[in-house]
Amino acid sequence: AQKVTQAQTEISVVEKEDVTLDCVYETRDTTYYLFWYKQPPSGELVFLIRRNSFDEQNEISGRYSWNFQKSTSSFNFTITASQVVDSAVYFCALSSSKETSGSRLTFGEGTQLTVNP
Amino acid sequence: GAGVSQSPSNKVTEKGKDVELRCDPISGHTALYWYRQSLGQGLEFLIYFQGNSAPDKSGLPSDRFSAERTGGSVSTLTIQRTQQEDSAVYLCASSLVWGGGAVKTQYFGPGTRLLVL
Repeated sequence: AQKVTQAQTEISVVEKEDVTLDCVYETRDTTYYLFWYKQPPSGELVFLIRRNSFDEQNEISGRYSWNFQKSTSSFNFTITASQVVDSAVYFCALSSSKETSGSRLTFGEGTQLTVNP
Repeated sequence: GAGVSQSPSNKVTEKGKDVELRCDPISGHTALYWYRQSLGQGLEFLIYFQGNSAPDKSGLPSDRFSAERTGGSVSTLTIQRTQQEDSAVYLCASSLVWGGGAVKTQYFGPGTRLLVL
């Protein structure tokens, strides 16, 4: 069975602070994909990043960066110099590469990030 | 191009009534997923359609839930004899076809907020 844990239920920071959202996953599959989605107050899930299990390179996109470490089964997400518009619920998700289950996503519980001015 | 669209945006119904929720995927996406987001259960997979293959219904919570996909495009999720515990946001996602062991990114619609009184 697959499982994703986001231990931080809520995080509150002041604008311009850096913040890291933790994600720990469990899977028996050797090939899998990890995702981060953002859910702003409007409710729509917005795709942020996808990473496969063979690519452990960290990635940076503007103020966003992701740290994937297979040794600790973690895929953490850092926002640098946070802004009020970053306030949202962030979900980490896992999908295996098995045809019988398609690409169904297993989501973590989500982390509510509030960035205060 | 156009994203995933869902209708209605909101639905209020009385316990015991049937409801139909509609999803229009991104053009060219042959894989379609339904998820449910509720306070107590987080984001849960419901059902998956891939082309003309038999759908994966393993996530449907009861036989009151059914879904179909006509012409490989639009999908309808039907809940019969609604119960108060069915109140949730129902999210639809679509992706390119799974293939070659590569999981494809799912893009989500805005969701339908269902309230059963």
